[in-house]
Order: sequence, then C-alpha cells, then structure tokens
Amino acid sequence: GENVEQHPSTLSVQEGDSAVIKCTYSDSASNYFPWYKQELGKRPQLIIDIRSNVGEKKDQRIAVTLNKTAKHFSLHITETQPEDSAVYFCAARDAGNMLTFGGGTRLMVKP
Amino acid sequence: DVKVTQSSRYLVKRTGEKVFLECVQDMDHENMFWYRQDPGLGLRLIYFSYDVKMKEKGDIPEGYSVSREKKERFSLILESASTNQTSMYLCASRTGSANTGELFFGEGSRLTVL
Repeated sequence: GENVEQHPSTLSVQEGDSAVIKCTYSDSASNYFPWYKQELGKRPQLIIDIRSNVGEKKDQRIAVTLNKTAKHFSLHITETQPEDSAVYFCAARDAGNMLTFGGGTRLMVKP
Repeated sequence: DVKVTQSSRYLVKRTGEKVFLECVQDMDHENMFWYRQDPGLGLRLIYFSYDVKMKEKGDIPEGYSVSREKKERFSLILESASTNQTSMYLCASRTGSANTGELFFGEGSRLTVL
C-alpha cells in the first residue's frame, strides 16, 4: 500500500517568515494530494490540494508543489501569522481512492 | 454547512469494557471513515464504509468493529477495550464522487482506557 512520510515533525518560525513542510509518497499511481490543518482542539480541515496533472497551486499565502518524478510534494506558507500555528497533515490518494496520511507537522509561529 | 458529529468528546473506560463511538453526518455522504490519531503517527484508518451495511477494513482494524445500519450513522465498537486503544478517534465522511476528495471530520472522541 501507499506510504507517506512527512518532515519535519515540528517546525518553529518567527512571525512573517516562511514555513515549508515536505512529504514523500511511495505509490506512483497516487493522483491526489491534500493538506489538512488541525488547530488545537479542533477538527482537521482541508486547506489546499493538488492533483497529479498540476505542478503547483497557490491560494493566497499558501502554495503546494508536486514533483511526480521524485514522488514528493510540499506545503509552503509565506508571511506566517500566529493563527497559522497548528498541526498540518499531508496525504496521498492512491488509484483505489484511499487516502494515506503523513505523520503530521506541528507548526509554531512565534510573535 | 457540512456537519459531522461525534457523540462523545471525552470518554474514560476500564480495560475489558465494551465501547461504542458514534458518528452522524448530515451531508448525505456515501463514504464514512474511522481514523485513529496518535502523535507522530498521523491519522491511521481503522475501518471505512462505502454504503449502508457495507464495511471494509483499513490499516489497523484489529480490536475494532463497525456498524452502518443507516446512511448517516457510522459506529465504531471496541469489543473489549485495552490500554493500547487509548487515543483520539476521528470520524470523517466524503461524497462518493471520485472527483471530490475532501474529507469532512468530526471533532474527535478522546478515549482513555484505564
């Protein structure tokens, strides 16, 4: 089955700096890569996703890039704000439509 | 507004007890899922269901069972709780369309087994 690895497990940045979270996947047939954000005590929510036919997608301060050849994808957050502090999960959906999640990254944005 | 509701936010049970975790969604979604969330391990799939009375094992089904008697309700059952089942349990639902991948999660049920 699919295996998704996520790094780093924790990330601390100063407000205004950029943050990058990286994930690798094992199944070359995976075709959809969402990112979920889970604020403390809250439910995970989808913040951005990318499909395998696209290399990059942006939504305001967040962007996701995908390198199918290398089987890795990354989340980029620019101009970080304290409200970006959360746990972020990457995931990959395989050809059987099943999602496999990475281990999560705890992002802390220091004011 | 989409809504996935889990019946209990916090539960404390004793080893050997039977535990029911219930989840209800109001979006008429075909697919429902139970995940377990542990630090550093992300979200691991326990069981899922594509339709009423249908269930499929996920990655870590041992020690769990599920029930889906109605489309909107998906229950997770721990027949005999053990301390290693202490965790956060998340229910999620998703439309059956293959083009829409978004999972809608409940707020979670934190189970402690003593």
